[in-house]
Amino acid sequence: SQTIHQWPATLVQPVGSPLSLECTVEGTSNPNLYWYRQAAGRGLQLLFYSVGIGQISSEVPQNLSASRPQDRQFILSSKKLLLSDSGFYLCAWRSSGGLDTQYFGPGTRLTVL
Amino acid sequence: GQNIDQPTEMTATEGAIVQINCTYQTSGFNGLFWYQQHAGEAPTFLSYNVLDGLEEKGRFSSFLSRSKGYSYLLLKELQMKDSASYLCAVREGDSSYKLIFGSGTRLLVRP
Repeated sequence: SQTIHQWPATLVQPVGSPLSLECTVEGTSNPNLYWYRQAAGRGLQLLFYSVGIGQISSEVPQNLSASRPQDRQFILSSKKLLLSDSGFYLCAWRSSGGLDTQYFGPGTRLTVL
Repeated sequence: GQNIDQPTEMTATEGAIVQINCTYQTSGFNGLFWYQQHAGEAPTFLSYNVLDGLEEKGRFSSFLSRSKGYSYLLLKELQMKDSASYLCAVREGDSSYKLIFGSGTRLLVRP
């Protein structure tokens, strides 16, 4: 069966510091991968998605970037965090050859102070 | 433009039935999803509609009318554990399989 992992689970970072969040998927090959951010009490905002290694599409201009160095690894990064980057970051995967459903990882709660 | 509307909050009583509505206006349509999200946790998949009509899964049912841009999630025999946010999401028609999410409806089930 497929599982999705994210780490760290929680993170507190000062403004201006760098960020690296990691997401890995097990039990599937060539998944579509997605990064979402959820501000407190709000819906999910799609940040990036990837349909293959090295292929990244950005949905919202911001100071974040994403990379997919391996088939089942998706990384979200920033060189300098802003206060507005605080939120709940969720990674999701979808089987490239299967149903349309996206399945979410446990998330990373980021607080920028 | 893209717009998905859901009520912000709803309250219902344990054992009752509640209907959560979702209306959408998107540039393309290739399916509508409902997710459940408990506070502090990730969303979990509940249902998927791509054709008009009702899909039933135990206590949960979801309805879609593509011509009206409308869906609802019906929860029967409410339990306290059903207190959560319910997210409506629409899949656009391109190859990215992107989902556009509404802001979610926070449901409170009272004894």
